[in-house]
Amino acid sequence: QSALTQPASVSGSPGQSITISCTGTSSDVGGYNYVSWYQQHPGKAPKLMIYDVNNRPSGVSDRFSGSKSGNTASLTISGLQADDEADYYCSSFTSSNTRVFGRGTKVTVL
Amino acid sequence: EVQLVESGGVVVQPGGSLRLSCAASGFIFNDYTMHWVRHSPGKGLEWICLISRDGGSTFYADSVKGRFTISRDNTKNSLHLQMNSLRIEDTALYYCAKGQQYFQNWGQGSLVTVSS
Repeated sequence: QSALTQPASVSGSPGQSITISCTGTSSDVGGYNYVSWYQQHPGKAPKLMIYDVNNRPSGVSDRFSGSKSGNTASLTISGLQADDEADYYCSSFTSSNTRVFGRGTKVTVL
Repeated sequence: EVQLVESGGVVVQPGGSLRLSCAASGFIFNDYTMHWVRHSPGKGLEWICLISRDGGSTFYADSVKGRFTISRDNTKNSLHLQMNSLRIEDTALYYCAKGQQYFQNWGQGSLVTVSS
């Protein structure tokens, strides 16, 4: 049950687009279309942003999008805004019917 | 409105036990798989365990297997986590979360501190 691999930090200027990667194995990310992404502001509970690789829950801005290729999933934030500054985590279903998170990526808006 | 409210977090000594609870409302509780997820200081999120809708199936992360037990009471819309043989590294904010393959809704968390 190794954590998924995410970059520790990603930064961008307002209006730019950034992409966060999430790399696993064929037993998790690569084997199922059950990758999800969460945004967490300091002191707050995580918030679901993307589920099933590329689906947005109602109320989440269409500036957030997800994709997957092989064992790597990605979250793209377009038109970066100050409020997007937060920690982002990916998660995946696994072949053991457990779930696994990435170690998290800190997004900084310059 | 979906609400998940955790309770039971305290300061406990290493080797001790603790039971967390999560009160659910605003949705049909027995329609959903439920999870516990923790966030340790300076670390990221860690999935701990899940329980199926009827409570018949449970799964655990290796880090807590054999020490923690998840349970639910569908008559009271409540989720529980029995934590035994606690270690310093179990110190974390513990969240309950609703969902099957992903975590659709989260509570605000209950803080567990394991310290001598």
